[in-house]
Amino acid sequence: DSGVTQTPKHLITATGQRVTLRCSPRSGDLSVYWYQQSLDQGLQFLIHYYNGEERAKGNILERFSAQQFPDLHSELNLSSLELGDSALYFCASSLGLAADTQYFGPGTRLTVL
Amino acid sequence: AQSVSQHNHHVILSEAASLELGCNYSYGGTVNLFWYVQYPGQHLQLLLKYFSGDPLVKGIKGFEAEFIKSKFSFNLRKPSVQWSDTAEYFCAVTSAGNTGKLIFGQGTTLQVKP
Repeated sequence: DSGVTQTPKHLITATGQRVTLRCSPRSGDLSVYWYQQSLDQGLQFLIHYYNGEERAKGNILERFSAQQFPDLHSELNLSSLELGDSALYFCASSLGLAADTQYFGPGTRLTVL
Repeated sequence: AQSVSQHNHHVILSEAASLELGCNYSYGGTVNLFWYVQYPGQHLQLLLKYFSGDPLVKGIKGFEAEFIKSKFSFNLRKPSVQWSDTAEYFCAVTSAGNTGKLIFGQGTTLQVKP
């Protein structure tokens, strides 16, 4: 158990819908990273938040957004869902801003039908 | 742009065989290197990491990796694999000084036959 929690574990929804994925980092960690794992793209970095502020963006679609709240949990919002958004979404947390070890959550498996 | 290449996509070994998984990265500056393992149905777990110092790093479960700067490589090794090592292995890099986002390789699926 890494100490990072993610909810829900599984999510099945229809095209065009909007979903919210939630991540709680390890106690004391200020950074939260979101990654997408799919069969064709592999593991791709989406976005990084540090202490409530967005710090870096990767290949994140405009339909996707995220935020980190004062209690440091983070939410990833996916809207206007398409079939191709079906993937495993991981969050990871680390202590600081720089290249610390990242600890991964169990992931949320999103299926878009 | 940074990239990570894992040359072996699918490796099949018998128990007690030795393992070496290749990982090469492209980035000219200072990097931090990681190997993560993903057991079936589970999340990514850190096997080992290299930040600085001794280029031969030891991780959990008997794994080790060697950082060869001149070859831009960070190969993972284990002298004797077990059936329980069946998993997917990911090499990842982050450049020191950036925000820490990980760039992952494509992953290597290891299947160990009992």
